[in-house]
Amino acid sequence: RKEVEQDPGPFNVPEGATVAFNCTYSNSASQSFFWYRQDCRKEPKLLMSVYSSGNEDGRFTAQLNRASQYISLLIRDSKLSDSATYLCVVIMNNAGNNRKLIWGLGTSLGVNP
Amino acid sequence: DVKVTQSSRYLVKRTGEKVFLECVQDMDHENMFWYRQDPGLGLRLIYFSYDVKMKEKGDIPEGYSVSREKKERFSLILESASTNQTSMYLCASSSQGEETQYFGPGTRLLVL
Repeated sequence: RKEVEQDPGPFNVPEGATVAFNCTYSNSASQSFFWYRQDCRKEPKLLMSVYSSGNEDGRFTAQLNRASQYISLLIRDSKLSDSATYLCVVIMNNAGNNRKLIWGLGTSLGVNP
Repeated sequence: DVKVTQSSRYLVKRTGEKVFLECVQDMDHENMFWYRQDPGLGLRLIYFSYDVKMKEKGDIPEGYSVSREKKERFSLILESASTNQTSMYLCASSSQGEETQYFGPGTRLLVL
């Protein structure tokens, strides 16, 4: 099983739709979680951190489910500009207590007019 | 605003050439990283550095080396470029104790 898995999509939704992605992780000792956004042919940029209690930033909501070992990203009222690839990142302590970032392969979202 | 810059957006090299990719950040970040990104394989860590003169191997260091002589600059070196090193190379930096990584715009390298 991969350490971090995402449904690659593509998810194609109309403007105004609500869409949700999940990201599963295999290591129960994982400690920190993030969502990054990557536009076509551009670099990844931090979208939001994922807190244990869940967090919301405008139309975006991130949730963590430790029992089932996944994080989710919900986008409400989708805009054309939300079209991008969404990457999840899981941080865990490895041997020697160093922190290691594991990147998902990303989920592609297309929002259509 | 954090700014991470990379020396070239596009680069074409021939097999066997020595290639230097430069990355500079202006936020006094301790940590710097080099990744490559390929379709279906995602972001893979090549090397990282937590301080000047320090370097650590990532997941795929073979065929690469790095140099960090100054805090703001982290160089990736392909000693003898091969066609399987054709890729998008992304540099990132982060502050010590912070987990957010800030990426440069990337260098698309084509090795012929």
